[in-house]
Amino acid sequence: DAGVTQSPTHLIKTRGQQVTLRCSPKSGHDTVSWYQQALGQGPQFIFQYYEEEERQRGNFPDRFSGHQFPNYSSELNVNALLLGDSALYLCASSSGQLNQPQHFGDGTRLSIL
Amino acid sequence: KQEVTQIPAALSVPEGENLVLNCSFTDSAIYNLQWFRQDPGKGLTSLLLIQSSQREQTSGRLNASLDKSSGRSTLYIAASQPGDSATYLCAVISGAGGTSYGKLTFGQGTILTVHP
Repeated sequence: DAGVTQSPTHLIKTRGQQVTLRCSPKSGHDTVSWYQQALGQGPQFIFQYYEEEERQRGNFPDRFSGHQFPNYSSELNVNALLLGDSALYLCASSSGQLNQPQHFGDGTRLSIL
Repeated sequence: KQEVTQIPAALSVPEGENLVLNCSFTDSAIYNLQWFRQDPGKGLTSLLLIQSSQREQTSGRLNASLDKSSGRSTLYIAASQPGDSATYLCAVISGAGGTSYGKLTFGQGTILTVHP
């Protein structure tokens, strides 16, 4: 049973560019959340997708957008990259039931030069 | 706004010691609390999930307790091993019912080093 998978593993971009990160949820999960984790910090909630709609959003600018596909996989898009966007981007999936743990992928390490 | 704090920020212990990691949160209206482990450069591995109605959960050498009224949780690790070295994160889902939709609010983590 595959867990949460994310791609790519690492990515290097320059300021002003755009990036797309991808996530496939754990089998049986229909809810996907994205988190940003800066070095030495705890993850910060970006947004959550359910039934192909953004259901909840954290304190991130509109440069951060996402999408969920009918097969529940998801993409995170970041436009006009800034140096401060360098971080580990984590995807978490769940069944949508709050009494069940969320499962995380290994993340995508994004470096902005 | 929910805030989660973890103490200590780092901990170094000799193998075999029992240890306690602390987590506190400012808003006691939580749905549940989850402890995670993170190895360097890796994602998060769920260790224990405690519902707001529960007082503790156990898995092997790990025991997590929850005192919702005081806004505190502890993770107890018995007979620590070098393989336990990692960053430990606690996170809460705030609010009652489905209003929070499962948004996790994390602490900054405790970096644990267990030396042989």
